[in-house]
Amino acid sequence: GQNIDQPTEMTATEGAIVQINCTYQTSGFNGLFWYQQHAGEAPTFLSYNVLDGLEEKGRFSSFLSRSKGYSYLLLKELQMKDSASYLCAVRDDNSNSGYALNFGKGTSLLVTP
Amino acid sequence: DTAVSQTPKYLVTQMGNDKSIKCEQNLGHDTMYWYKQDSKKFLKIMFSYNNKELIINETVPNRFSPKSPDKAHLNLHINSLELGDSAVYFCASSRTIGTSGSNEQFFGPGTRLTVL
Repeated sequence: GQNIDQPTEMTATEGAIVQINCTYQTSGFNGLFWYQQHAGEAPTFLSYNVLDGLEEKGRFSSFLSRSKGYSYLLLKELQMKDSASYLCAVRDDNSNSGYALNFGKGTSLLVTP
Repeated sequence: DTAVSQTPKYLVTQMGNDKSIKCEQNLGHDTMYWYKQDSKKFLKIMFSYNNKELIINETVPNRFSPKSPDKAHLNLHINSLELGDSAVYFCASSRTIGTSGSNEQFFGPGTRLTVL
């Protein structure tokens, strides 16, 4: 089975740094993804981790610890447009599941002036 | 230009009707997916389809059936619509898992289905 947990809501100030945590307990693992979803729009890919450590991509970074079943997404120099839902997803390693993404319930981030 | 497209964007229909949602991708991917996002924004896999192999999430009612005329299309047909089917349905595609790279999924814009 899959169990992916992340906070429901977070609020941060423009220009600040925010860290969104995700813990997971899954029967298989073939990578962890972060997606951003603005209201009424499609999820868009932000980052991918399959090995332990930090992946940096501009203002966004993502960290993974496989032994702890833990990841975080770090957003720096927050902008108003970063207000969105952030979805943590684990890809199954089982071809019988079609390598589908199993999503957490998302963290709604509000950036305030 | 659009990588993954879906039609229609909005669909309002009566209980008991049969409807279809179309999905097309021009990314050259060979795996396509359907996800359902409920009112609480929880995104859940319904189907994945690769090289004519269909993987079905066991919780999906058999009123839902995906149909793939070719590698670039995966349509979703729903029979006997129920109130609980109201949700946003997203199509997605990716390269074959197992090749190098993240093979991330690209999502279509979604179809908001409302069953009255």
